[in-house]
Parts: sequence; C-alpha cells; structure tokens
Amino acid sequence: DTGVSQDPRHKITKRGQNVTFRCDPISEHNRLYWYRQTLGQGPEFLTYFQNEAQLEKSRLLSDRFSAERPKGSFSTLEIQRTEQGDSAMYLCASSLEGEETQYFGPGTRLLVL
Amino acid sequence: LAKTTQPISMDSYEGQEVNITCSHNNIATNDYITWYQQFPSQGPRFIIQGYKTKVTNEVASLFIPADRKSSTLSLPRVSLSDTAVYYCLVGEWSGNTPLVFGKGTRLSVIA
Repeated sequence: DTGVSQDPRHKITKRGQNVTFRCDPISEHNRLYWYRQTLGQGPEFLTYFQNEAQLEKSRLLSDRFSAERPKGSFSTLEIQRTEQGDSAMYLCASSLEGEETQYFGPGTRLLVL
Repeated sequence: LAKTTQPISMDSYEGQEVNITCSHNNIATNDYITWYQQFPSQGPRFIIQGYKTKVTNEVASLFIPADRKSSTLSLPRVSLSDTAVYYCLVGEWSGNTPLVFGKGTRLSVIA
C-alpha cells in the first residue's frame, strides 16, 4: 500500500457529461502529479503541483481539463464535456520535495460511452 | 530526457532469473536510471534506481555498464506474482520532473 488514494476507482459516464476525480496523496508529500494511461501505453504526464501551486501542465491537458489543489493536500481533476477519447486510467502520484521517487495511487478508470 | 528502448514482452517460467535490458544511448551525465513495475489495474511502483555499476535491493538488481548506454534489471527466481509491466526511465530526477514512461516490457511468468 503506497498510501496514495484515489476516488472513485471506476467511473462510467456518457459523452458530454462532466466528471471529477479526487486524489489524496501521502500526507507529508508536497508534490502531486496527475498522469493518464491508455491501454497498452505507459502513463503520460498531465500536470503537477507543488503545494497548492500548479507548476506545469502538459499539452495533453486541453481546456476541458482542470486540476486544483486548494489547500496543498488533496487534489481534484475535472474533465468537462467528456469525449470517448478521454477513456483512460487517470493516475495520481505524490512525492516529497528533495526526493525523486513518486508514489502512485491505484488510479481511476474512466469509460466514456 | 534520454529515449529508452526495451523489449515489448518476455516470458519466463517460475523460479528462473529474468533479465530485462534497456537501451539508452543518449543518456546524459546527470541522468539516473529508474525502473518501475506495474501490475494490472494498479499504479506503477518504484523498484530500483541507479547511476552506475550495480545496485541491489530486496526486490531486484540493476546492472549498469561503464558507458551507461544500457542497463539490465535482474529479477531473481521469479514467481507468478512478478507478472507485470516493467518500465525503464532515464532522467535527471530532481523531484520536480514528471516521469516519462515508454511502453515498458510485459513480463509473463508461467508455471
């Protein structure tokens, strides 16, 4: 058990609906990352927070995607107007400043019908 | 970040030693080599990291030759539970660098 939790573990939605995922990092970790993984591929970076500041966003993060970490603890990832191409596993990871190892959560598997 | 090349898949019988080689010809001086393991329906898990020569922990060994253009992850006496995808990552991990994953090597352990 890495200590990173994600909710929900699975989400099925219809195209055009909005969805929100939550990530709770390991409590003392100040860095939090979101990745997306499609079938047969490795995880791809989406965005990264240090405390409550969003420091980097990938080009994969279209304007339909928004991530927040309001108090520097848990984070949410929202996808608006979902498309079938958004179907993937969304992974959250956290790390401690000064340490390279990222600890991943179990992921949220999204299916857009 | 240095590009990595590793086999798409490997098969092994239980109890055998498995060696997965990763090529990274363009590795930079400050780059480290890191391996992650991912089981189905789970997030990746850090296995081992090294810079040069040999690193060993309770899970695996990592062999890195002097030129550092490749590395080999060695899993001793694999069991069915070692069936997973193994990713080789190369980069200057300063802690604020996103991890860059390739497609990894899918290891299947059979009885």
